[in-house]
Amino acid sequence: GQQVMQIPQYQHVQEGEDFTTYCNSSTTLSNIQWYKQRPGGHPVFLIQLVKSGEVKKQKRLTFQFGEAKKNSSLHITATQTTDVGTYFCAGPLRSGDKLTFGTGTRLAVRP
Amino acid sequence: NAGVTQTPKFQVLKTGQSMTLQCAQDMNHNSMYWYRQDPGMGLRLIYYSASEGTTDKGEVPNGYNVSRLNKREFSLRLESAAPSQTSVYFCASSGPRLTEAFFGQGTRLTVV
Repeated sequence: GQQVMQIPQYQHVQEGEDFTTYCNSSTTLSNIQWYKQRPGGHPVFLIQLVKSGEVKKQKRLTFQFGEAKKNSSLHITATQTTDVGTYFCAGPLRSGDKLTFGTGTRLAVRP
Repeated sequence: NAGVTQTPKFQVLKTGQSMTLQCAQDMNHNSMYWYRQDPGMGLRLIYYSASEGTTDKGEVPNGYNVSRLNKREFSLRLESAAPSQTSVYFCASSGPRLTEAFFGQGTRLTVV
């Protein structure tokens, strides 16, 4: 079954509101990656976190890797219509030989 | 630098027909993947190849076969297409220690 879950599945926000998606793994991840897929497009890599407790920022996006390296979050401050899409987390499960993707969170933004 | 190239971009098949989706990457990556994505849904792993010469089943392998022809190429074959296989198919590759994955543009497949 799916070992990397994301919540919420879907969120609809007013432009300017903040947005957060959470990623939870059943096992430890050696790294966590975040991807964005625009409607009709393909997933595109955003960022990778490696260290326990690591926080990285990209403009309005803040990414965090949990202390136990089993969870992560992506926070968007003051959403814009250009943020619309589906956000996926992904990572190699401990001792795994492949990337496992999360279930994804679809973000819609009302202008 | 082309990255990951998938062909074709669009395909319509009749039930029972066969076809092969081609994927090639020019980044010297060991790991390659095939995913399917149904409308409004996440990515479901069909097959993956951790290195040249090896392939393994993912979540939804039934009805598909794969070939890792060499380090660059990883193809997906539908032997007898079914309407349930209507989906968007993505090929991807990732680098050492399973870091950043690169995706192809996708193949939009319709089976009628």
